[in-house]
Amino acid sequence: DAGVIQSPRHEVTEMGQEVTLRCKPISGHNSLFWYRQTMMRGLELLIYFNNNVPIDDSGMPEDRFSAKMPNASFSTLKIQPSEPRDSAVYFCASSSQDRGLRSYNEQFFGPGTRLTVL
Amino acid sequence: AQKVTQAQTEISVVEKEDVTLDCVYETRDTTYYLFWYKQPPSGELVFLIRRNSFDEQNEISGRYSWNFQKSTSSFNFTITASQVVDSAVYFCALCTSGTYKYIFGTGTRLKVLA
Repeated sequence: DAGVIQSPRHEVTEMGQEVTLRCKPISGHNSLFWYRQTMMRGLELLIYFNNNVPIDDSGMPEDRFSAKMPNASFSTLKIQPSEPRDSAVYFCASSSQDRGLRSYNEQFFGPGTRLTVL
Repeated sequence: AQKVTQAQTEISVVEKEDVTLDCVYETRDTTYYLFWYKQPPSGELVFLIRRNSFDEQNEISGRYSWNFQKSTSSFNFTITASQVVDSAVYFCALCTSGTYKYIFGTGTRLKVLA
């Protein structure tokens, strides 16, 4: 079975440019997470979707960041305009969760997108 | 408050040695889940194990074993007869019932030297 798919794997852009990161979760999973990993801050949760609905975006650093999940098999994380401090590895993860039963399964992570903003 | 502490920042061992990675967690919830993930140099995060708070049985999977002790709020991970391929950063994480959020530890970098 295919795992979580992310694209691109590497992105180098200049400050001020728009960046779009893409994620395809594991088929059948109903929850999707975007994380950012840096040496200084470790792994940070940016946003969480459940059944395609954003449940918690409190980790999104600022208005320059936005995320969408138009359907169960696709999500995007957009940064506009990008800044050098956005340089990080961005991970997408998916899992199956039943919020009603409070059952939270393991998250499976994609390979990540390494973003460099010059 | 929820918290995960991995006090060991970096550990170096020689191949074939056994090594234990420590994880201490804090939560007031009685229902929670604990996880270990491996992040090899290639960068991906690989799920290793999930354990819920009602199951204190230790688990063994090949050279890997996990010791869950609620009395000390610890979920330690032991690699027996370590190999160079075990070199990675290992993360412990906590998820409490009622929230979907993982609380990750800061990770322990394991270097296995040939």
